[in-house]
Amino acid sequence: KQEVTQIPAALSVPEGENLVLNCSFTDSAIYNLQWFRQDPGKGLTSLLLIQSSQREQTSGRLNASLDKSSGRSTLYIAASQPGDSATYLCAAMDSSYKLIFGSGTRLLVRP
Amino acid sequence: NAGVTQTPKFRVLKTGQSMTLLCAQDMNHEYMYWYRQDPGMGLRLIHYSVGEGTTAKGEVPDGYNVSRLKKQNFLLGLESAAPSQTSVYFCASRTPDTYNEQFFGPGTRLTVL
Repeated sequence: KQEVTQIPAALSVPEGENLVLNCSFTDSAIYNLQWFRQDPGKGLTSLLLIQSSQREQTSGRLNASLDKSSGRSTLYIAASQPGDSATYLCAAMDSSYKLIFGSGTRLLVRP
Repeated sequence: NAGVTQTPKFRVLKTGQSMTLLCAQDMNHEYMYWYRQDPGMGLRLIHYSVGEGTTAKGEVPDGYNVSRLKKQNFLLGLESAAPSQTSVYFCASRTPDTYNEQFFGPGTRLTVL
């Protein structure tokens, strides 16, 4: 059974810092891995999707990497801003096309 | 395109009452999903559908029923609501293309007293 873990559960950094959020999964047989952003009381905003054949995806200040062999994905945020404060969720699509979510990392970027 | 929409946005029920949550998508997607999200947790799959007229159980199906009578709609029913069903419910859809990306609705916040 696929399990997805995100560490740390919460992170507080000063504005301008580069940071890395971690996501690990137990079964390497995944179709893709998605990173989402969720603001308090809101829905999910898709940030990046990495297909199983890809190593990374980039969008603006965000870069997500995928290493299936080690069961890891990272989300790199460059030059963090207070507007980046949110919960970040990763989700792995398993062999039956179901998304398995981690519990999220709650990020606070301090001005 | 409106994408994935959910009705209602908020609802308060008393224990034992019933209700139906509606999910609609205008992207002609085959697959649709219902998730619940509890505080401090990720989303967990309740039920899903791989096409019109089909449904299947997910990780946490107990206490819920679903129906997919039309391709664009996926209904989630609570026959006898319990406080443990207080949660935020998200619907999603996808089409089986190269990316297999799921698109999510805005959520329904349900409180059961």
